[in-house]
Amino acid sequence: TQLLEQSPQFLSIQEGENLTVYCNSSSVFSSLQWYRQEPGEGPVLLVTVVTGGEVKKLKRLTFQFGDARKDSSLHITAAQPGDTGLYLCAGGSNFNKFYFGSGTKLNVKP
Amino acid sequence: GAVVSQHPSWVICKSGTSVKIECRSLDFQATTMFWYRQFPKQSLMLMATSNEGSKATYEQGVEKDKFLINHASLTLSTLTVTSAHPEDSSFYICSAPGQSSYEQYFGPGTRLTVT
Repeated sequence: TQLLEQSPQFLSIQEGENLTVYCNSSSVFSSLQWYRQEPGEGPVLLVTVVTGGEVKKLKRLTFQFGDARKDSSLHITAAQPGDTGLYLCAGGSNFNKFYFGSGTKLNVKP
Repeated sequence: GAVVSQHPSWVICKSGTSVKIECRSLDFQATTMFWYRQFPKQSLMLMATSNEGSKATYEQGVEKDKFLINHASLTLSTLTVTSAHPEDSSFYICSAPGQSSYEQYFGPGTRLTVT
């Protein structure tokens, strides 16, 4: 059982469209991270959010941490084929221990 | 940034044999390391926390006797899959925390295939 549930599980869109991925939990986390992973490789950190209500922008990506620090969202504007990959959220608890969400597989078609 | 390596990057073994996977922090010390398992098209599942000089702590449902973890130095943790079976075939990834409580650095992963 995953502590964090992501939705949608799969997403296939056309280049130029916008999308939002959600990460929800009933648990409170001290921090929330988003990663992107390519097949056969380790996950690559995109962002860390630590304050409830915090919003961070990374070029076309916007990340938000829920006020109660139980949920987060990732919004991508004008998606590009290079955005294709597995997006994972991870909630941080004590002692640097992180629990990953169920994952969202994004495919952006040219 | 900090670098974590894993060896081997991929391994094939026969059912019933044991295989050891190494996780090294190359330019920093790590008193704690984490081991994850990832099945195809699924997310990472935390298996255990490796503690330097003491016993590993395992997540619920992970068999301690099957997945032996040793953290003998500040830069090396090993995961040994004992008596491997085909259902143990997976992508195993380790990570080590950075200086802040929010940092963690992932290894490139090890693909284990048990035939």
